Amino acid sequence: NAGVMQNPRHLVRRRGQEARLRCSPMKGHSHVYWYRQLPEEGLKFMVYLQKENIIDESGMPKERFSAEFPKEGPSILRIQQVVRGDSAAYFCASSQNKNSPLHFGNGTRLTVT
Amino acid sequence: QQQVKQSPQSLIVQKGGISIINCAYENTAFDYFPWYQQFPGKGPALLIAIRPDVSEKKEGRFTISFNKSAKQFSLHIMDSQPGDSATYFCAASLGETSGSRLTFGEGTQLTVNP
Repeated sequence: NAGVMQNPRHLVRRRGQEARLRCSPMKGHSHVYWYRQLPEEGLKFMVYLQKENIIDESGMPKERFSAEFPKEGPSILRIQQVVRGDSAAYFCASSQNKNSPLHFGNGTRLTVT
Repeated sequence: QQQVKQSPQSLIVQKGGISIINCAYENTAFDYFPWYQQFPGKGPALLIAIRPDVSEKKEGRFTISFNKSAKQFSLHIMDSQPGDSATYFCAASLGETSGSRLTFGEGTQLTVNP
């Protein structure tokens, strides 16, 4: 039973480019969460989604960041016009329902040059 | 307040010793307190979790102690092993939605020397 799958594992973008991070939740999980981890820091909540719905995006920066979880396919975290400060590890987690523990993927490490 | 404060930032323990990591929170509405273990290059993995209706939970060598009045909880690792060397995060979440919107502490880097 595969866990939460994130790809790519590493992503390098130049300033101004777009970054697209993908997350496939565990089988049977319909709740997806995105977290960001800066070097030497804890994880910060970004957004919580269910299929086709954004439930809580209170942790998302107001500009350049967006997330979706379509009916078919993985959840996507999109960062437009990346800046050096976006360099971080982005983790996706999934749960079976809103009362279940979170299971994390191994993250996408974004480097903006 | 949504903060969860964790200490120490780093911890070095000898093999066989006890590792203790502490967390404090301010929001009394938090009702689910998990601990996560993270190895380099990996995502956090759930280690053990507790709800505020109990004061202690033990799973193998790992124990959570919870003090509701002090708004503090701690992780104890008994008989620490080199394989326990990792970063440990405490977390907390609100209401009945125990899985969603975890607020994490800043992490403790544990090193267990052989």
